[in-house]
Amino acid sequence: DVKVTQSSRYLVKRTGEKVFLECVQDMDHENMFWYRQDPGLGLRLIYFSYDVKMKEKGDIPEGYSVSREKKERFSLILESASTNQTSMYLCASSLRFRAGIRNDETEAFFGQGTRLTVV
Amino acid sequence: DQQVKQNSPSLSVQEGRISILNCDYTNSMFDYFLWYKKYPAEGPTFLISISSIKDKNEDGRFTVFLNKSAKHLSLHIVPSQPGDSAVYFCAASGNFGNEKLTFGTGTRLTIIP
Repeated sequence: DVKVTQSSRYLVKRTGEKVFLECVQDMDHENMFWYRQDPGLGLRLIYFSYDVKMKEKGDIPEGYSVSREKKERFSLILESASTNQTSMYLCASSLRFRAGIRNDETEAFFGQGTRLTVV
Repeated sequence: DQQVKQNSPSLSVQEGRISILNCDYTNSMFDYFLWYKKYPAEGPTFLISISSIKDKNEDGRFTVFLNKSAKHLSLHIVPSQPGDSAVYFCAASGNFGNEKLTFGTGTRLTIIP
């Protein structure tokens, strides 16, 4: 059973603080993702990584950075937290699909989410 | 630019009836589609998927239909149960060399007992 674990369920941080959100998966997945969920906007991709030390920008990378030093761990960093970064943050992981065939094994599995409030 | 759209923010359905959730996409490079269900304060959980080589996929009470020419997919839940009350997200991926998922804005489904 795939498990994606985010280090905190709830966080409250002050404007200007550096914030680290940690995510760990235990299924040896190559792909890892960070999304944020906001009312009326759905899930928007911040960054993703398909291998250790590899990262690619998603749709809304501004104000964020990421780190993937080990395959199982993907960290999201808010360099200087701002109030507009108050959101639900969701980490996900998935297998890299092979031979161009997608099936249910290549679905993304999500962590339980971190509700971040920046005051 | 919203490439995956769910135009109904909310839907209410009587228990036992059919729930139909709709999703439209604009990028013709998408070739794999998924539905996720999300309860408050939890991460989304995978429900069902469909590849673009199919037009229908069924799993128990859940069926997903894909109309490629219309760039439209729908999720049917029959019969609807109170535990189905949640936010449903449609997602799509394509042959872009990565497996990133593009999500819609979600539809909140409420099942009325």
